[in-house]
This record gives sequence, C-alpha cells and structure tokens, in this order.
Amino acid sequence: GAGVSQTPSNKVTEKGKYVELRCDPISGHTALYWYRQSLGQGPEFLIYFQGTGAADDSGLPNDRFFAVRPEGSVSTLKIQRTERGDSAVYLCASSPGLAGNRGSYNEQFFGPGTRLTVL
Amino acid sequence: AQSVAQPEDQVNVAEGNPLTVKCTYSVSGNPYLFWYVQYPNRGLQFLLKYITGDNLVKGSYGFEAEFNKSQTSFHLKKPSALVSDSALYFCAVSLRSGGSYIPTFGRGTSLIVHP
Repeated sequence: GAGVSQTPSNKVTEKGKYVELRCDPISGHTALYWYRQSLGQGPEFLIYFQGTGAADDSGLPNDRFFAVRPEGSVSTLKIQRTERGDSAVYLCASSPGLAGNRGSYNEQFFGPGTRLTVL
Repeated sequence: AQSVAQPEDQVNVAEGNPLTVKCTYSVSGNPYLFWYVQYPNRGLQFLLKYITGDNLVKGSYGFEAEFNKSQTSFHLKKPSALVSDSALYFCAVSLRSGGSYIPTFGRGTSLIVHP
C-alpha cells in the first residue's frame, strides 16, 4: 500500500514569508507526528496528533509554528514569518496508534520529508 | 526527561565482518527502544524495537539489538555486514510521560561498509 507522502519535497522561501507543508499519512493510522531534522542531527519532535486533536504540541519552538489535522487524516504544518533558522527537513510520520490512548509504542512510518530553505 | 546518545558519528566495517552501532539512553522509568535506518533521499525506516520480554530483539535485514538495563544500552548488531547496509542509523527512546509516548532520537551514526 501507499506509504506516508509529503508535499512539496522542496520549498524555498524568503525570510518573513508564510509556508504550509502537507502530510498524507498511511490510511487508517490515527497517530501523526511532525519532526524537524537539521543537518547532522536526529529528528526533533514538534507535535503529535491522535485523530483530529493535537495531543502533544510541546515541541513547537514558538507561536510561529502551527499544525492542523481537521479530518483526522491529512495534516498541514504552518510556519508564519519564516526565519533563516527554520531551514531544515520537516518529517512527518504516522502510526497505528490506539484510539483513546495518547500515543503508543508502535513503530512510526516516516515520509520522505520536505526540505525547507529560508533565504 | 529522556535522552539518547550515539557516541560514534561514523562506523566503518568491511563487508562480511560483524558490525555494532552503539546506543545508550537515559530515562526515569522503563524505556521503549527503537532503531531506524535512513537511506539517502529516503525516509526513516523502522528496523526493530524493544518493548518488554526477551532482551535480544531481532529485526529487519538480519539486524538485532540487545537491551542491557544495567548498562542502559541498546546496541545494534549484525553478524555479517553487507555493502547495502551503508546508511544512517538512529536510535530512539520513548517513555510514557504525561500520557504521550514521544520518542527522542539520537544524532545518528553513519555506517559505511567497505567492499
């Protein structure tokens, strides 16, 4: 079956602009995660959804970052007033998390990522 | 708080030789431990996990890892390396805290298998 897809694969923007990054999880996966990966680092947690709700957004660096998942499937990560320091690869992952649980220890299925470059 | 250390940025091994990629962790409780692999221009792929039970966990592509509670380690191993195993390997730990299982990833170890 289809895996996790992310669009666009690359995004170049100018400092101060607004960007949206999209994630299509594996069908039926209730848990969805966003991470940010900088060069030479592991994925850094941003936000986690269980269904439509953000169960844990403790990793969002500041209020310029926001994410939604209105129908419990596709998710969009939104970054306002982008800064050069936001440049990174943004990863999305989904997991068959158990409904009613705030996450699970199931393995995650990652998308290929969106490489964001802020000039 | 939880953390993961991968002490080696790079591991070099000859094809056919055994390989070990090291991982140590720090959590205040019983950990869930994972290994993921990242090939160039591809997303992270799950290799194996330790949740409970047998300390030796077997995973994809002939990899295995041993959970050692006293040494807080979860080293990845393979008896005979292949050139195609060359990739970036990430160890991750998660702990149920505040109701969420949010994994913390290490910095990654680049494995290079020489023909």
